[in-house]
Amino acid sequence: DARVTQTPRHKVTEMGQEVTMRCQPILGHNTVFWYRQTMMQGLELLAYFRNRAPLDDSGMPKDRFSAEMPDATLATLKIQPSEPRDSAVYFCASGTTGTEAFFGQGTRLTVV
Amino acid sequence: GDSVTQMEGPVTLSEEAFLTINCTYTATGYPSLFWYVQYPGEGLQLLLKATKADDKGSNKGFEATYRKETTSFHLEKGSVQVSDSAVYFCALIPYYNTDKLIFGTGTRLQVFP
Repeated sequence: DARVTQTPRHKVTEMGQEVTMRCQPILGHNTVFWYRQTMMQGLELLAYFRNRAPLDDSGMPKDRFSAEMPDATLATLKIQPSEPRDSAVYFCASGTTGTEAFFGQGTRLTVV
Repeated sequence: GDSVTQMEGPVTLSEEAFLTINCTYTATGYPSLFWYVQYPGEGLQLLLKATKADDKGSNKGFEATYRKETTSFHLEKGSVQVSDSAVYFCALIPYYNTDKLIFGTGTRLQVFP
């Protein structure tokens, strides 16, 4: 059963530390999305890729967030330095162009 | 730009009641339309979809019809169960940018026995 895998599932870190979240998209999918979910803002699109190339990262705070796809089986989202307001659930999703996206279970990040 | 508007929640129902969650969209041309469901502590799962006008998507007793004339894609279920309690998201893929998936704000459904 193909699925999007995200690690870690939970992360607690101190303010100022670097955080790296990883995502393994479904094999054969050519688009990858990063979303952030909070109670206040709901579901926000941070960035997305097609064929490993970033298409749009306008939803990300550029000074501290970065998203990459070093290869077709790995997408990463980094926050450096982390801040308490970054506490949220971060979702990765993958799909093929023009069709629905499949979501991972999310990484719950708490910055204290 | 293209957008999705959902009714405010929470929607609170008794078991076996009829459910409607409203979704309207603003889009150029003919987007593809989706409903996703998020159960507590989990990621979003695709519930159903429709890719052209007048299509009806259905799954697990849920239905939604793509209405171009009213730009709507309302979610319905004839008889809800406690296990349907979740957050429901309406979403679209624009016809002009098929890499982008745009979500509404989500509607929480609470079903009581």
